[in-house]
Amino acid sequence: AQSVSQHNHHVILSEAASLELGCNYSYGGTVNLFWYVQYPGQHLQLLLKYFSGDPLVKGIKGFEAEFIKSKFSFNLRKPSVQWSDTAEYFCAVISYNTDKLIFGTGTRLQVFP
Amino acid sequence: KAGVTQTPRYLIKTRGQQVTLSCSPISGHRSVSWYQQTPGQGLQFLFEYFSETQRNKGNFPGRFSGRQFSNSRSEMNVSTLELGDSALYLCASSIQDGTTEAFFGQGTRLTVV
Repeated sequence: AQSVSQHNHHVILSEAASLELGCNYSYGGTVNLFWYVQYPGQHLQLLLKYFSGDPLVKGIKGFEAEFIKSKFSFNLRKPSVQWSDTAEYFCAVISYNTDKLIFGTGTRLQVFP
Repeated sequence: KAGVTQTPRYLIKTRGQQVTLSCSPISGHRSVSWYQQTPGQGLQFLFEYFSETQRNKGNFPGRFSGRQFSNSRSEMNVSTLELGDSALYLCASSIQDGTTEAFFGQGTRLTVV
């Protein structure tokens, strides 16, 4: 079955630390990839997306992600996190074969000052 | 431009009852998807509607159903509620299909007692 895996369930960092959240998917064929963020009490919003082209994509608030097709991965990175990055992060993948946007189980990030 | 609107925001129901949730997509968006969000499970895809037709369906029992109206507004119905149906139900709209960016509403928090 098609699935999206986020291996880090809960990450705790201090401000200014670097962040990398893993995302792997099990689809074949053409995919579109997304990272969404859900701040406490707010709705899900898009951080960044990859459809085609340069596999290194930049999103809002200094986040970036790299698509590595051979590894079926789309890891999210930020060089220096801030307290305001405390949120839950979801990786999502849609396959052109299924047209279903499937989410990973999410990673809860806590950043301490 | 107004975002995705879900009503009601909160609901408390008892086991065995049924419930209807509503979603108004962003103007011009024709695709509406529904997700169930629970701690530890992340977002699980329920179904997607496009131009009043169900185009995709997740792995949920038949107690979960939906429909879409000609103005793209969508409703989700859950019959014979069970305690395990307690969750945040999210609606997402996109312009055409799931391969484009999905915009999420605030969700409806359903508690079954």
